Amino acid sequence: QVQLQESGPGLVKPSETLSLTCAVSGYSISSGYYWGWIRQPPGKGLEWIGSIYHSGSTYYNPSLKSRVTISVDTSKNQFSLKLSSVTAADTAVYYCARDLGGELSCLFDYWGQGTLVTVSS
Amino acid sequence: QSVLTQPPSVSAAPGQKVTISCSGSSSNIGNNYVSWYQQLPGTAPKLLIYDNNKRPSGIPDRFSGSKSGTSATLGITGLQTGDEADYYCGTWDSSLGGVFGGGTKLTVL
Repeated sequence: QVQLQESGPGLVKPSETLSLTCAVSGYSISSGYYWGWIRQPPGKGLEWIGSIYHSGSTYYNPSLKSRVTISVDTSKNQFSLKLSSVTAADTAVYYCARDLGGELSCLFDYWGQGTLVTVSS
Repeated sequence: QSVLTQPPSVSAAPGQKVTISCSGSSSNIGNNYVSWYQQLPGTAPKLLIYDNNKRPSGIPDRFSGSKSGTSATLGITGLQTGDEADYYCGTWDSSLGGVFGGGTKLTVL
């Protein structure tokens, strides 16, 4: 069974960089598929942030592209998200998920439980 | 404001059928597959339907999906109280990348 677990600080100061890691178990990232990040502001809908292939190839939400970096560490079987220059609008539950479809799809079959990140001084 | 439009809420009685619509355009639904997700309160979304009308293993056939032109529909029959959740459609948009609808809250009366 594929399992994903997000980890990282729950509180980030405005203008700083949000950093999260997603540890994958039950499946080797090197075996294939894309791996993505999705966020959900409190009481609101889902927003795709970006995805990465095991080779390191990435694609990002155009509205966040200038601030987002997603990387992968196949030796640790994990991938990471960095979002720079955060504001209160970046406060959300951040989910990592397996991106089953890659580009030209919005298809996520396994999800982490999510982690709330609050941007506040 | 999402490029995929869903009704904010729908409701029906236990045992009845409900449909949830997802309206888009030729930039998204019209030329790409649609997926549907169920989000129970306080939990992560769960994949219900992919490639417009396919169900992952373990998803009961009470859940169905269809697509026509630039709109998609999720159907749920034999409603149960446990189906109360938020439902999201998702697809690819040629300009925006992966996009989700605004979500629909299902209430089982």
